[in-house]
Amino acid sequence: DAGVIQSPRHEVTEMGQEVTLRCKPISGHNSLFWYRQTMMRGLELLIYFNNNVPIDDSGMPEDRFSAKMPNASFSTLKIQPSEPRDSAVYFCASSLRQGSYNEQFFGPGTRLTVL
Amino acid sequence: TQLLEQSPQFLSIQEGENLTVYCNSSSVFSSLQWYRQEPGEGPVLLVTVVTGGEVKKLKRLTFQFGDARKDSSLHITAAQPGDTGLYLCAGAIWKNRDDKIIFGKGTRLHILP
Repeated sequence: DAGVIQSPRHEVTEMGQEVTLRCKPISGHNSLFWYRQTMMRGLELLIYFNNNVPIDDSGMPEDRFSAKMPNASFSTLKIQPSEPRDSAVYFCASSLRQGSYNEQFFGPGTRLTVL
Repeated sequence: TQLLEQSPQFLSIQEGENLTVYCNSSSVFSSLQWYRQEPGEGPVLLVTVVTGGEVKKLKRLTFQFGDARKDSSLHITAAQPGDTGLYLCAGAIWKNRDDKIIFGKGTRLHILP
């Protein structure tokens, strides 16, 4: 079975450019999460969706970040304009439903470098 | 601000030794999960503990949830090089009729052959 799929795996861009990260959750999962991981701050939840609806975006750093989930099989995280401090590994995860007892399945991540 | 503190941040030990890593908070969690992450990959769930005082074993790994559901420990017996990785704990806090998941920064474990 295919797990969570993320693309691209690596992205190098220049400051000011728009960056779009993509995620395909596991089929049948109803909840989708976007995380950012850095050495300094660890794994931070940016936003999560239940049944394609954004539930909690309090972790989104600022207006430069936006996320969409147009259907159950696809989500995007967009950064516009990008800044060097956005450099991190971005993970997408999905679960059968949102809740503390539900295992989150993580994708392999997108390593973003903003020069 | 709810914080999950993990200790130690880094641990390097010889194969065959035992070790314990900790996850602590001032907040009460409805449940707590442990994940392991290997380089270039996403975290993978190891265990979920729910009841205060609960102990779960996964081969050489023993997980314990504190009686007050504010802390947890992971004990590894006879560590092997395959145990190397980043161990993350994640606590669930009930808030606004929903569970909010908070991750610790992790313990980076390196087992020397």
